[in-house]
Amino acid sequence: AQSVTQLDSQVPVFEEAPVELRCNYSSSVSVYLFWYVQYPNQGLQLLLKYLSGSTLVKGINGFEAEFNKSQTSFHLRKPSVHISDTAEYFCAVSDGATNKLIFGTGTLLAVQP
Amino acid sequence: DGGITQSPKYLFRKEGQNVTLSCEQNLNHDAMYWYRQDPGQGLRLIYYSQIVNDFQKGDIAEGYSVSREKKESFPLTVTSAQKNPTAFYLCASRGAGGYTGELFFGEGSRLTVL
Repeated sequence: AQSVTQLDSQVPVFEEAPVELRCNYSSSVSVYLFWYVQYPNQGLQLLLKYLSGSTLVKGINGFEAEFNKSQTSFHLRKPSVHISDTAEYFCAVSDGATNKLIFGTGTLLAVQP
Repeated sequence: DGGITQSPKYLFRKEGQNVTLSCEQNLNHDAMYWYRQDPGQGLRLIYYSQIVNDFQKGDIAEGYSVSREKKESFPLTVTSAQKNPTAFYLCASRGAGGYTGELFFGEGSRLTVL
């Protein structure tokens, strides 16, 4: 079965600094990866997704992620964060056999002034 | 505007009571999902439905029930058999693209058992 690991439960960072949120997935022949963001007391919204093609994927709000098959990773990055980026970020992998989306435990990005 | 509507946003329940959470979508999506969110545990799948009149158990279905009589609606009942029902519940739907497609989420329902 597919699985996703987000090792960092919380990442504190100062405003305008770069940030990387880590995500590792279980190896599979075909893998489809997603990053979602959740603001307090709201649902999730899609930041970006990797299906195939270029390993560098650009998303909304200046975020990007790089698919690395050899390291089974899909880390999320932003070169300069804002206070408004404070939220919880979830990495997810799609299970093609069951049409289920399997989420990691999330990383809280806490941007400080 | 197209989207997913969950109600109520906040709900309090006494122990031993069943409660039903509503989820309605006007996106014309075939697949719908219910997730439970607890601090530090991410989102765990309760039930999902890929088509009307059909649904499957997710990873934590015990103590929950669903129905899918209409394409637009996927209500979740939290029964008295659910031992620890206090949580944030999220409904989602998925359209064309199957397992490569984006999930669209509602704003959630927060259930507190008193």
